[in-house]
Amino acid sequence: KAGVTQTPRYLIKTRGQQVTLSCSPISGHRSVSWYQQTPGQGLQFLFEYFSETQRNKGNFPGRFSGRQFSNSRSEMNVSTLELGDSALYLCASSSLAGNPVGEQYFGPGTRLTVT
Amino acid sequence: GQQVMQIPQYQHVQEGEDFTTYCNSSTTLSNIQWYKQRPGGHPVFLIQLVKSGEVKKQKRLTFQFGEAKKNSSLHITATQTTDVGTYFCAGPDSNYQLIWGAGTKLIIKP
Repeated sequence: KAGVTQTPRYLIKTRGQQVTLSCSPISGHRSVSWYQQTPGQGLQFLFEYFSETQRNKGNFPGRFSGRQFSNSRSEMNVSTLELGDSALYLCASSSLAGNPVGEQYFGPGTRLTVT
Repeated sequence: GQQVMQIPQYQHVQEGEDFTTYCNSSTTLSNIQWYKQRPGGHPVFLIQLVKSGEVKKQKRLTFQFGEAKKNSSLHITATQTTDVGTYFCAGPDSNYQLIWGAGTKLIIKP
């Protein structure tokens, strides 16, 4: 079974631009979560989607948004990029959502650099 | 809100020494998950603990879930260079959203 894939793997943008990142979950997984990871930091939860609906949202500004398609693929968008948005963006899929919480399968991440 | 505290932030050990990381939750957890992230990699699921007082072993790794289901630990016996990485714990909040510890970075001293 193919793992979680994320595209692109690396991205360089300038301040003020917007960016869209893509995540394809493991086949059959309907839950997709997004995380931001900065050097030396833990995993900061952005949002979770299940069956095209946002289940949970982390404490990030409205510039960060996401969506999920009927095939469970998910995208996240960051508008008006700031230097502080430079990070590794990780996507994780799971076969479960809600109770119980399923194990998370992470993709390789998209490394975003904002200059 | 619910918090999961993980200590220490870093642990330097000589190869062959033991390593332990601890997680403490501000609330009772229904379960706790552990992940490992190798340098330059992504988190990989290690194990999930569900029962009060549960102890599970994976070769040199021992995972424990406290009796009150508010704390957990991961102990590695006789560390090897392959153990290098950051170990994260995570437990669900009342919305069944995983709350993550900050991670413990295991560094093997040369």
